[in-house]
Amino acid sequence: GESVGLHLPTLSVQEGDNSIINCAYSNSASDYFIWYKQESGKGPQFIIDIRSNMDKRQGQRVTVLLNKTVKHLSLQIAATQPGDSAVYFCAETGGTSYGKLTFGQGTILTVHP
Amino acid sequence: NAGVTQTPKFQVLKTGQSMTLQCAQDMNHEYMSWYRQDPGMGLRLIHYSVGAGITDQGEVPNGYNVSRSTTEDFPLRLLSAAPSQTSVYFCVTGDKEKLFFGSGTQLSVL
Repeated sequence: GESVGLHLPTLSVQEGDNSIINCAYSNSASDYFIWYKQESGKGPQFIIDIRSNMDKRQGQRVTVLLNKTVKHLSLQIAATQPGDSAVYFCAETGGTSYGKLTFGQGTILTVHP
Repeated sequence: NAGVTQTPKFQVLKTGQSMTLQCAQDMNHEYMSWYRQDPGMGLRLIHYSVGAGITDQGEVPNGYNVSRSTTEDFPLRLLSAAPSQTSVYFCVTGDKEKLFFGSGTQLSVL
């Protein structure tokens, strides 16, 4: 079936480095993509989203890139901090699938001081 | 996780017992849902609701019932708990795609 997956299950970086977390999706009908951050013992928190009519969107220290040709999106975190250590999930939904998010497996980001 | 309150935070059940996971939101969102999170399986949608009186099945609805009598509340019922229902459960609400997760309920079924 349709799925959203991640290339790297774990990522370790040094404080101050930039981090890139990747995600592949297979549903060509997906038109809305979201990145979530989940800290230990907490629920996922919204980070940033992007619609399929865009290829880049920037937030505070985060940027999401969408490549529809190869069905790939990435989350870039600038100047990664120890507080960024968490599990990061990408999720997607099609235009008619209101609320039916399909989540990837998650990437564990560890930031070393 | 402000605005979405889940109770209890932890629960241990014996096989065959029933229980209700409570969820309440104070953001006046029409949409609410329940997800379960399991290692290696990610987050999977159990049931969802797009308004009071309306519910629908998600990806893994078997073994769970829901009802939506008010905008604020969306309880999840396990009628006869099974070990396969050991998981972390998240209640979700939001404005279309921008979803807000509760802090989760860790359920163990022995």
